[in-house]
Amino acid sequence: GAGVSQSPSNKVTEKGKDVELRCDPISGHTALYWYRQRLGQGLEFLIYFQGNSAPDKSGLPSDRFSAERTGESVSTLTIQRTQQEDSAVYLCASSLGQAAYEQYFGPGTRLTVT
Amino acid sequence: GQSLEQPSEVTAVEGAIVQINCTYQTSGFYGLSWYQQHDGGAPTFLSYNALDGLEETGRFSSFLSRSDSYGYLLLQELQMKDSASYFCAVRQVRGSTLGRLYFGRGTQLTVWP
Repeated sequence: GAGVSQSPSNKVTEKGKDVELRCDPISGHTALYWYRQRLGQGLEFLIYFQGNSAPDKSGLPSDRFSAERTGESVSTLTIQRTQQEDSAVYLCASSLGQAAYEQYFGPGTRLTVT
Repeated sequence: GQSLEQPSEVTAVEGAIVQINCTYQTSGFYGLSWYQQHDGGAPTFLSYNALDGLEETGRFSSFLSRSDSYGYLLLQELQMKDSASYFCAVRQVRGSTLGRLYFGRGTQLTVWP
């Protein structure tokens, strides 16, 4: 079956602009995660959705970052008033449920803020 | 808070065995996972340990000691294609639910011919 997909694959934007990144999880996966990965660094947790529960937003670095998820499907990560330090690869992952130990990652969106 | 420590780099030759260690500090520990990431690629799941002991999957094995807050990934019969970054990640229990994964900074493995 199809894996996790993300769009766009690459995004170049000017400082101060808003961007919206999209994630399509694997069908049937109730858990969805967003991570940020700067060049040569580890994965930085941003936000976690599980079913209809309130999302865990504890990783969002500032109020410029927000995310939504429609039911158990698509999620969008929005970054407002982008800054150069927002440049990174944004990875989305999904898993079968809260207790599932394997996360399936999408290919990521490479964001460059100029 | 949470913290995970793993070596930043490891090198080895083809055919060798390498062990990547991971020590962690966390409240509400639920399990330890390992992920592999090739340059420019997405992380892919390798293994998971919730209980003490060794889990074996082909050339890769993972070990966990909950009392020592320690685990390792063992890669045998190394191949050039194993050159990648390897991340350990801790799953946390939050109350009656499972929380997020906390990832280590990753270990860059370079396999030489």
